[in-house]
Amino acid sequence: DTAVSQTPKYLVTQMGNDKSIKCEQNLGHDTMYWYKQDSKKFLKIMFSYNNKELIINETVPNRFSPKSPDKAHLNLHINSLELGDSAVYFCASSQVAGVSGNEQFFGPGTRLTVL
Amino acid sequence: SQKIEQNSEALNIQEGKTATLTCNYTNYSPAYLQWYRQDPGRGPVFLLLIRENEKEKRKERLKVTFDTTLKQSLFHITASQPADSATYLCALHTGTASKLTFGTGTRLQVTL
Repeated sequence: DTAVSQTPKYLVTQMGNDKSIKCEQNLGHDTMYWYKQDSKKFLKIMFSYNNKELIINETVPNRFSPKSPDKAHLNLHINSLELGDSAVYFCASSQVAGVSGNEQFFGPGTRLTVL
Repeated sequence: SQKIEQNSEALNIQEGKTATLTCNYTNYSPAYLQWYRQDPGRGPVFLLLIRENEKEKRKERLKVTFDTTLKQSLFHITASQPADSATYLCALHTGTASKLTFGTGTRLQVTL
């Protein structure tokens, strides 16, 4: 059974389009995250939700909007896609937020290519 | 400014030797530090965590040290194998909640 799953795995789209990436975890974790990994492989946190509540919101354009319908799901919607949005987006989850030392479990990633 | 730097872009070592990877940081005071492994086309996988009051942690062939005075963590893989070839990321706890800030990563290549 996949612990953290993301769909789609690949996403190719035109500039200006709106797209969504979905993430689900079956680990029973309370906290979920979105990360962006750019072409230089630098992994950067974008958002985190704890039990459906937004707890980390980094400096991300407001074209990016996360949504957590329940604590097992965290989706990422991106409006008006730009070339610079091309990257691999990783979803992750951890047991509890605010408690030091929780390892994060990452999904397989979604490679977004904006043409 | 705040920075997390990992040594060199790529580290090549011979099978059986000990690989030592470095993670240096400036202007952070992390409560803990984690190491992850990332294979091409996959998400990072957690390896080890070390807290600020711990000097050393071990797990099988892996060893991590944490020196908060030097602001440095060393990650060692003993008796390295070609299967250890991957990118290794250090990650610092850098704020409230569970925020991790990742280093730039070191690509390790173990050859026969």
